[in-house]
Amino acid sequence: DTGVSQDPRHKITKRGQNVTFRCDPISEHNRLYWYRQTLGQGPEFLTYFQNEAQLEKSRLLSDRFSAERPKGSFSTLEIQRTEQGDSAMYLCASSFPARQVFYGYTFGSGTRLTVV
Amino acid sequence: QKEVEQDPGPLSVPEGAIVSLNCTYSNSAFQYFMWYRQYSRKGPELLMYTYSSGNKEDGRFTAQVDKSSKYISLFIRDSQPSDSATYLCAMSAGIGSQGNLIFGKGTKLSVKP
Repeated sequence: DTGVSQDPRHKITKRGQNVTFRCDPISEHNRLYWYRQTLGQGPEFLTYFQNEAQLEKSRLLSDRFSAERPKGSFSTLEIQRTEQGDSAMYLCASSFPARQVFYGYTFGSGTRLTVV
Repeated sequence: QKEVEQDPGPLSVPEGAIVSLNCTYSNSAFQYFMWYRQYSRKGPELLMYTYSSGNKEDGRFTAQVDKSSKYISLFIRDSQPSDSATYLCAMSAGIGSQGNLIFGKGTKLSVKP
């Protein structure tokens, strides 16, 4: 286990189709985050999990988006009825906050979504 | 006004130059400050981490935080072509529900041989 793994690396889909991305965090990390990054912008927060509980969702996460982390390990992000505006890099990150200390996140390489 | 402001550049310097990157922010609750480096088509990787105000040095990299001015900086000494990347500042108010990182837009740096 050498880092955060995301699959697929690149997804091209037609507008209106559903897509699902997977993230495998670092095994001892109990927090998992999803971010979205568009060209020329920094990553923007979408949602995060502590273990299997989804604790926060951004207003960017419309009802077409759903994320799960069923057993507190890997997570999936699904986008239904994709739109061209969903084209972006979807980044997953994990962290293990302990003793009130925050060490930042470890990011995966991302899934680049292109909606045509 | 966005919570975190960062000049997107691009910034082009010759090899060996000292590079200065910076961000300003508006949320006084931020107390954790990070710099991430992102190569093209890759995820961000943590470069420097600072808690509250002060300086931190790691090899050729120095991070500075001035909470009174809401201003953070990253200095790169003896810059190398391999430093060419986008540098993202990120900050957080802490762990728990406020632990989410807020990123700047990123500054694209090019170091010319």
